[in-house]
Amino acid sequence: AQSVTQPDIHITVSEGASLELRCNYSYGATPYLFWYVQSPGQGLQLLLKYFSGDTLVQGIKGFEAEFKRSQSSFNLRKPSVHWSDAAEYFCAVGAPRGGYNKLIFGAGTRLAVHP
Amino acid sequence: NAGVTQTPKFRVLKTGQSMTLLCAQDMNHEYMYWYRQDPGMGLRLIHYSVGEGTTAKGEVPDGYNVSRLKKQNFLLGLESAAPSQTSVYFCASSTQGLADQETQYFGPGTRLLVL
Repeated sequence: AQSVTQPDIHITVSEGASLELRCNYSYGATPYLFWYVQSPGQGLQLLLKYFSGDTLVQGIKGFEAEFKRSQSSFNLRKPSVHWSDAAEYFCAVGAPRGGYNKLIFGAGTRLAVHP
Repeated sequence: NAGVTQTPKFRVLKTGQSMTLLCAQDMNHEYMYWYRQDPGMGLRLIHYSVGEGTTAKGEVPDGYNVSRLKKQNFLLGLESAAPSQTSVYFCASSTQGLADQETQYFGPGTRLLVL
């Protein structure tokens, strides 16, 4: 069965520090992979997605993620975190099913940023 | 272009009461989805629709019904609310799922408390 694991429930970093959020997936075929961000009281906003091709994908707000098939991972990175990046981050895998792209979400990682 | 909107933003129900959550999208998307978000569990799919007049069950459909009478609207109904349905509900929409580049766009959420 498809699944997504985000090992870190909470992460705290200092403003200006680098960030890496981990995501591991289980899926039998080539996955479609997504990172979404949810600011407090808001809906989910797509940060970036991977469908095929270059395994390093660039997203909005200075985020990037790297797909590593051998490790079944799709970790999210940012070289320098801003206070406004404090939010909850969700990794998701898209599993094509019956003509639509079912999204399976991880439990999320809540990011706190210290000034 | 409002994207995906949800009504209401917040609601308190007593056990056994009924209510309907409304989702509307103005992007002419074929596919629409209802998710619930619970702490530590990410988002789970309740029901989805692949077009006007069609609906299908997701992962956690019990206790919910849906209707898609118009392409732009997707309604989620709770016939007899239970405390276990206390959650944040998100609606999403996307273009036809067969396209590899499909991305789901989310509404801002409805926070429901069942007493």
